[in-house]
Amino acid sequence: EDVLTQSPRALSLSPGDRAILSCRASQKIRGDFLAWYQQKPGQAPRPLIYGATNRATGISDRFTGSGSGTDFTLTISRLEPDDSAVYYCQHYGGSVRYSFGQGTKLEIK
Amino acid sequence: QVQLQESGPGVVKPSETLSLNCTVSGKSTIGYHWSWIRQPPGKGLEWIGDIFFTGSTTYNPSLASRVTMSIDTSKNHFSLELKSVSAADTAVYYCVRERSSGPHFGSFDYWGQGTLATVSS
Repeated sequence: EDVLTQSPRALSLSPGDRAILSCRASQKIRGDFLAWYQQKPGQAPRPLIYGATNRATGISDRFTGSGSGTDFTLTISRLEPDDSAVYYCQHYGGSVRYSFGQGTKLEIK
Repeated sequence: QVQLQESGPGVVKPSETLSLNCTVSGKSTIGYHWSWIRQPPGKGLEWIGDIFFTGSTTYNPSLASRVTMSIDTSKNHFSLELKSVSAADTAVYYCVRERSSGPHFGSFDYWGQGTLATVSS
């Protein structure tokens, strides 16, 4: 079974900082099929990145996806208070058609 | 703009069947795969399964024995049934559109707001 492990599980940073969120796959995956989502309390997840590096429509260039193979990263630069959320990575194409990481909770204080 | 809206009972008794409906507006269900994803309170996301507009389905193996999905393209909606529910099935259930072609392939682009289904006697 394909497993996505996100780290850190929680992160607390200040406005203006840069956040680096990691998503590691248990086996090599195609970057084409790696996506990132942002979820705020009481809301549905919002698409951020698809194909590992491509921003979804309307997403700020402060959000950057990178990586390949088993290691993928979401970098959020110039943090703003509104970036406080849980971030999930997601993969298509494993033994379970879609799988998610367990999430990283980002707090901006 | 594509919009998805879940509907269904908020409370289901243990051992009974949870039935949810998702109404799609702004775009036809034809040509797309449609998923159900759930999130237990305070926990992460779990993909339940999907249905193509033709009616072809793929389920998460962990839930396959209890899940049935259906679609009615004439009414632009699709449905989820989850049998023999227990407290572990208490979650927010989202209906979601998949991108099964083009550069977004393998991701989800439109989500419903989610509906909380609580299993309780």
